[in-house]
Amino acid sequence: DGGITQSPKYLFRKEGQNVTLSCEQNLNHDAMYWYRQDPGQGLRLIYYSQIVNDFQKGDIAEGYSVSREKKESFPLTVTSAQKNPTAFYLCASSISGREEAFFGQGTRLTVV
Amino acid sequence: EDKVVQSPLSLVVHEGDTVTLNCSYEVTNFRSLLWYKQEKKAPTFLFMLTSSGIEKKSGRLSSILDKKELSSILNITATQTGDSAIYLCAAYYGGATNKLIFGTGTLLAVQP
Repeated sequence: DGGITQSPKYLFRKEGQNVTLSCEQNLNHDAMYWYRQDPGQGLRLIYYSQIVNDFQKGDIAEGYSVSREKKESFPLTVTSAQKNPTAFYLCASSISGREEAFFGQGTRLTVV
Repeated sequence: EDKVVQSPLSLVVHEGDTVTLNCSYEVTNFRSLLWYKQEKKAPTFLFMLTSSGIEKKSGRLSSILDKKELSSILNITATQTGDSAIYLCAAYYGGATNKLIFGTGTLLAVQP
């Protein structure tokens, strides 16, 4: 079945560690996005990519990094520079230029 | 600064009630307004609105866009407990940076 797969579902990180969240899609979508969701807040855009080997910062990119080496994959690294990384992270994809985005099931990251 | 604002932030109703959720936006190069429902993890697409005054309907849910007022409403009639969720509104703007900006969401709880 076509869809977006995020892994892991739950992730625990010690302070000072970098962690990488996986996002894979088999929808043949060009555009991919990473959002962060905190309690009581909506989705805030971290990074997005319209095509392979190209990506742009969103509204809250500090402390995060991404790569887009393959069309199907858009991993997000939460670095030690991110001061408050505990949150729910959602990956999405869309046909380039089309509004409707499809979401993965999310990864809940907790700093311990 | 581009922004999307939703109200109320949370709402508790009883089964059978009708609810109206509000979304206002200030977005440059606005192209369309999208509504999503988030029950547990992945938001699922409900509606996309591009033209003012044209109602979109799906079962007990309906939505309409008012471009003059820069706003949209989502109506749910004869609410059921299964309607309990976070309802997210997002504005899509095109141009060089096609992306979705989300509001804070409205948490709807439908009690039996």
